[in-house]
Amino acid sequence: GEDVEQSLFLSVREGDSSVINCTYTDSSSTYLYWYKQEPGAGLQLLTYIFSNMDMKQDQRLTVLLNKKDKHLSLRIADTQTGDSAIYFCAERSGNQGGKLIFGQGTELSVKP
Amino acid sequence: DAGVIQSPRHEVTEMGQEVTLRCKPISGHDYLFWYRQTMMRGLELLIYFNNNVPIDDSGMPEDRFSAKMPNASFSTLKIQPSEPRDSAVYFCASTSSLSRTDTQYFGPGTRLTVL
Repeated sequence: GEDVEQSLFLSVREGDSSVINCTYTDSSSTYLYWYKQEPGAGLQLLTYIFSNMDMKQDQRLTVLLNKKDKHLSLRIADTQTGDSAIYFCAERSGNQGGKLIFGQGTELSVKP
Repeated sequence: DAGVIQSPRHEVTEMGQEVTLRCKPISGHDYLFWYRQTMMRGLELLIYFNNNVPIDDSGMPEDRFSAKMPNASFSTLKIQPSEPRDSAVYFCASTSSLSRTDTQYFGPGTRLTVL
């Protein structure tokens, strides 16, 4: 079945780059997403990438997609303490319109 | 737009009581999702609706849980009777079939504590 895997924790120093990794199983996924959840809040879309793209850059965020290995990563440049949050990777379920499959979330801790 | 609205934001109840969580999706969205988030199990999809019809309820834990969507602008998730292990944050999300990207928009969640 469809599955999305992420490591649970990542700790970085302020100013460093953060790289959060994700693997997925559904090769028919058309879109892949990164959501951010700040403490006490709901999930908020951070960025997404279409499956025919290898890379997408948006200010400090870079998304890399390796379709062959079914690997997705999110790089945050110049990480700030305000980036501390849980980051969820998700894929669009190919056969179930509207449904997304979420990973377990990676808790990013940014130390000053 | 106000975004997805959930109420209440916090609910504390005693074991055995009935709990009703409410959600108003973004106007015009025809998909609505209910999720549960706990430390142990992470984010779980409980049920989702399309055009007010339940499509997949395989994530609903047991018969104590029920969800309804009487119209396009309102949905409820009911737990009867509630148990301490139901304590979690419950999120509602919505999206539109007209969306090119199927981006889901989440509400702020309801934090449920069952004593």
